[in-house]
Amino acid sequence: EADIYQTPRYLVIGTGKKITLECSQTMGHDKMYWYQQDPGMELHLIHYSYGVNSTEKGDLSSESTVSRIRTEHFPLTLESARPSHTSQYLCASKGWTEAFFGQGTRLTVV
Amino acid sequence: QKEVEQDPGPLSVPEGAIVSLNCTYSNSAFQYFMWYRQYSRKGPELLMYTYSSGNKEDGRFTAQVDKSSKYISLFIRDSQPSDSATYLCAMSADTDKLIFGTGTRLQVFP
Repeated sequence: EADIYQTPRYLVIGTGKKITLECSQTMGHDKMYWYQQDPGMELHLIHYSYGVNSTEKGDLSSESTVSRIRTEHFPLTLESARPSHTSQYLCASKGWTEAFFGQGTRLTVV
Repeated sequence: QKEVEQDPGPLSVPEGAIVSLNCTYSNSAFQYFMWYRQYSRKGPELLMYTYSSGNKEDGRFTAQVDKSSKYISLFIRDSQPSDSATYLCAMSADTDKLIFGTGTRLQVFP
């Protein structure tokens, strides 16, 4: 069983608030990823990291930012949440070949 | 044109049926192939991993890769209502970025 955790699972927040979505893994993987997924839609890569102090933007433009200060931790931050940020956010980590996902954070901005 | 094409379905089958899920791709450099299962409001769960061409079997699931045709398949034997989910194919050319299909929604009715 993969050990990758996301908190919170669900979050409802007002417009303009700053939020941080947490993602932690205990597998020692260097590579970590954030995906955004709307209901019934495909996964879109928004950020990735290949190790500590390495972060890159993904294929889908996002107003969020990420940091990678520790191998096991890859938080995603939205400085000012908007209703257009309402979505499911999935974190993944990858060993040599397979990627493992967390359970996701379902974010609703009202 | 997307790098990975997957029929979104939905695919509806009776319990006990054999299900065939497929993806085609355009990048001949892909050599790592995965299938994920995603239940509603959950993160994707890794089902099968295959390197290069060939078949791999795990219980009721069989993954096939035909690199010459750029075509991968997932077969589910004796399908169960609990198999109802969205199935995502994923592949990569190296050990870094995964490219996902859009997912096929499968419904198995009793």
